[in-house]
Amino acid sequence: AQSVTQLDSHVSVSEGTPVLLRCNYSSSYSPSLFWYVQHPNKGLQLLLKYTSAATLVKGINGFEAEFKKSETSFHLTKPSAHMSDAAEYFCVVSLGGSYIPTFGRGTSLIVHP
Amino acid sequence: GAGVSQSPRYKVAKRGQDVALRCDPISGHVSLFWYQQALGQGPEFLTYFQNEAQLDKSGLPSDRFFAERPEGSVSTLKIQRTQQEDSAVYLCASSGRDRGVWTEAFFGQGTRLTVV
Repeated sequence: AQSVTQLDSHVSVSEGTPVLLRCNYSSSYSPSLFWYVQHPNKGLQLLLKYTSAATLVKGINGFEAEFKKSETSFHLTKPSAHMSDAAEYFCVVSLGGSYIPTFGRGTSLIVHP
Repeated sequence: GAGVSQSPRYKVAKRGQDVALRCDPISGHVSLFWYQQALGQGPEFLTYFQNEAQLDKSGLPSDRFFAERPEGSVSTLKIQRTQQEDSAVYLCASSGRDRGVWTEAFFGQGTRLTVV
């Protein structure tokens, strides 16, 4: 069984300040973990993925995430928010192989000027 | 094609009407997934195919929902006798193997279904 919990439904930051979107997972096996972003009326775009290689994963647009097995966490961070980062972010877990990706409920990132 | 293609992008159906939503996955991808995304929610799993075999349909909300992938490529999600609660965005995703390693799921733009 697998599940993912996104701890915040909304996160509000000022432009230029750091971003932290939290995600905890539950999985019976070593999981693959992903962050996707969804802008309004747009498709889901992969930001980054962890598949048992380096625990610190760098993605697009300056985002990165760290896999912490001891904490079962995969939090998404960015040093400096940009207005264009405002979107819905989804943490996703799978078991690898012929998996079924399981989504968190999403975190809405709001960026103030 | 280069990505997952879904059609139509928008569909308005009268309550009780049947609808068919199409998904063209990335060429060569063996896995295909359907999700339902209600307004303000995360995508919820509906069903999963590996090639033409439907391996999991546990997420289909009722027997009005039916999916098929007869030749292991294009898939169709059919909803019979649509109801207002079926209004949502329906997302299709595909994944495959790249040098022996499974890729992430690639998503289409979705079909926004509105039942009136």
